[in-house]
Amino acid sequence: GAGVSQSPSNKVTEKGKDVELRCDPISGHTALYWYRQSLGQGLEFLIYFQGNSAPDKSGLPSDRFSAERTGGSVSTLTIQRTQQEDSAVYLCASSFQSGNTIYFGEGSWLTVV
Amino acid sequence: EDQVTQSPEALRLQEGESSSLNCSYTVSGLRGLFWYRQDPGKGPEFLFTLYSAGEEKEKERLKATLTKKESFLHITAPKPEDSATYLCAPLGAGGTSYGKLTFGQGTILTVHP
Repeated sequence: GAGVSQSPSNKVTEKGKDVELRCDPISGHTALYWYRQSLGQGLEFLIYFQGNSAPDKSGLPSDRFSAERTGGSVSTLTIQRTQQEDSAVYLCASSFQSGNTIYFGEGSWLTVV
Repeated sequence: EDQVTQSPEALRLQEGESSSLNCSYTVSGLRGLFWYRQDPGKGPEFLFTLYSAGEEKEKERLKATLTKKESFLHITAPKPEDSATYLCAPLGAGGTSYGKLTFGQGTILTVHP
């Protein structure tokens, strides 16, 4: 596609429910990144993929967070047993290769009530 | 650990009043530095990549420069549509964090007509 596509764009969920956020990177981009941005805060790195493997998962806040990427393309970020502190914008980005310029999607706004 | 500091945190300018934003960093083996613009409710939009000290890049009213320890984003004769948060992110060299961008907290620029 022309840009990084994320879905859903907005999600309101109840505390304790699981949520899945999807990212479709730019066609041909091998590297994919997930960041989180809480209200008024900076971008917090979560995880990045090169192909289907994740060399760096250091930013995942807890074991409730997981991500996978299949076919070197679409990625899913899963948050289990959501908590109110998980409320944030989850941003996905991709680049041709790791270390190249990364391009962001518009984000998935998650609100946990 | 890579560290990035942007200053000022917020900057208010009158239309036409030129100024500069600063991004200072501590990164092992700098391979590049990225500047992004972020509008409220949107994902970051790529502006520039700088790869080596002394390099400069321009786009409309914006010019980015890079030294060994910091980068500047110069804004010449800004217009209200330049109002946004400006983010910088240096890319370091090593290991499993090869592809990880560490973002600064950003400078919130407001340009008044």
